[in-house]
Amino acid sequence: DVKVTQSSRYLVKRTGEKVFLECVQDMDHENMFWYRQDPGLGLRLIYFSYDVKMKEKGDIPEGYSVSREKKERFSLILESASTNQTSMYLCASSQTGTRGSYNEQFFGPGTRLTVL
Amino acid sequence: AQRVTQPEKLLSVFKGAPVELKCNYSYSGSPELFWYVQYSRQRLQLLLRHISRESIKGFTADLNKGETSFHLKKPFAQEEDSAMYYCALSNYQLIWGAGTKLIIKP
Repeated sequence: DVKVTQSSRYLVKRTGEKVFLECVQDMDHENMFWYRQDPGLGLRLIYFSYDVKMKEKGDIPEGYSVSREKKERFSLILESASTNQTSMYLCASSQTGTRGSYNEQFFGPGTRLTVL
Repeated sequence: AQRVTQPEKLLSVFKGAPVELKCNYSYSGSPELFWYVQYSRQRLQLLLRHISRESIKGFTADLNKGETSFHLKKPFAQEEDSAMYYCALSNYQLIWGAGTKLIIKP
């Protein structure tokens, strides 16, 4: 059974704290993604990675950074958390498809982050 | 610009009634389109993709290039269909619609 796991289901942090969200996949997928999921806004891509140590900015990278030191692990870092980063964070992974497009994305259960 | 539009944030229908979740896209080229679903307290998962031309859980979706649409349809809604549905377009990465919350009333 394919698996994407995220380090926490719920997280509460204070403004200004540094926050680490971890994601691990066991499918040997090349691509990994971090999204924010907010009501009425759908999924917004923060960052993605198509290989170890490679990263690309998504639509809303400001205030976030990422790290991919190993193929199976993709970390999202909030350098200084702010209240507007309160959200559900979803990690996903996929193989690279034909024509450079992405195959099905497999999602983790999500981390609900609250910044006070 | 590539874009996916789901015009309805919320759709509520009675059990047994037909369901149609709308999705329109803008894309220059041959699109790959998907429907993802998120049931309550479950992770987001792929429901179907247009290239498969399959029916999953009674749902079908036909790509209409003339109308640039990929509407999701089911002839008879069931209570377990209540969920959040997202339409997505593949272009090197997935471009997501804002989602439609489907509520099936008993």
